[in-house]
Amino acid sequence: GENVEQHPSTLSVQEGDSAVIKCTYSDSASNYFPWYKQELGKGPQLIIDIRSNVGEKKDQRIAVTLNKTAKHFSLHITETQPEDSAVYFCAASPRPLVFGKGTRLSVIA
Amino acid sequence: EADIYQTPRYLVIGTGKKITLECSQTMGHDKMYWYQQDPGMELHLIHYSYGVNSTEKGDLSSESTVSRIRTEHFPLTLESARPSHTSQYLCASSAPGGLQGYTFGSGTRLTVV
Repeated sequence: GENVEQHPSTLSVQEGDSAVIKCTYSDSASNYFPWYKQELGKGPQLIIDIRSNVGEKKDQRIAVTLNKTAKHFSLHITETQPEDSAVYFCAASPRPLVFGKGTRLSVIA
Repeated sequence: EADIYQTPRYLVIGTGKKITLECSQTMGHDKMYWYQQDPGMELHLIHYSYGVNSTEKGDLSSESTVSRIRTEHFPLTLESARPSHTSQYLCASSAPGGLQGYTFGSGTRLTVV
């Protein structure tokens, strides 16, 4: 079955710097890759996703890239702000989604 | 605002008690899921359903059971709670079609004493 590895497990950045979280997957049949943000006391919230026919997608300060050949995808957050501090999860299809173990991002003001 | 609701938000219960965690969604989603989230953040799939009267067990061995009698409702039941069941339980749903993200509820934090 699918296996998703996520790195790093914790990440601290200065406000205004960029943050990058990387994931790899094992099943070449996977074709959908969402990213979730979980704030304290809340459930994970979908922030961006990418499908296998697309190499990159951007939404304001957030971007995701996908390399199908290497089976890895990454989340890029630019101009980080304190409110970006949260736990981030990557995931890969097939259904049900398989999640990475999460990255705790801390943005230091 | 997410249209998926979990109750209760917090529950402290004694060992051996039977409990039901409620999950309801108003989005007409056909697929629903239960995850257990450990203190280390990792999400473990324990049950899922692709429609009414359809339920499957997930990757994590669980002593819980689920039912899906109505599209909007996906309750999780523990027949006899144990301290090892202490955890955060998250419910999620997704729309028809292959490539759709999940909408998560806010979770139920269960403590078994």
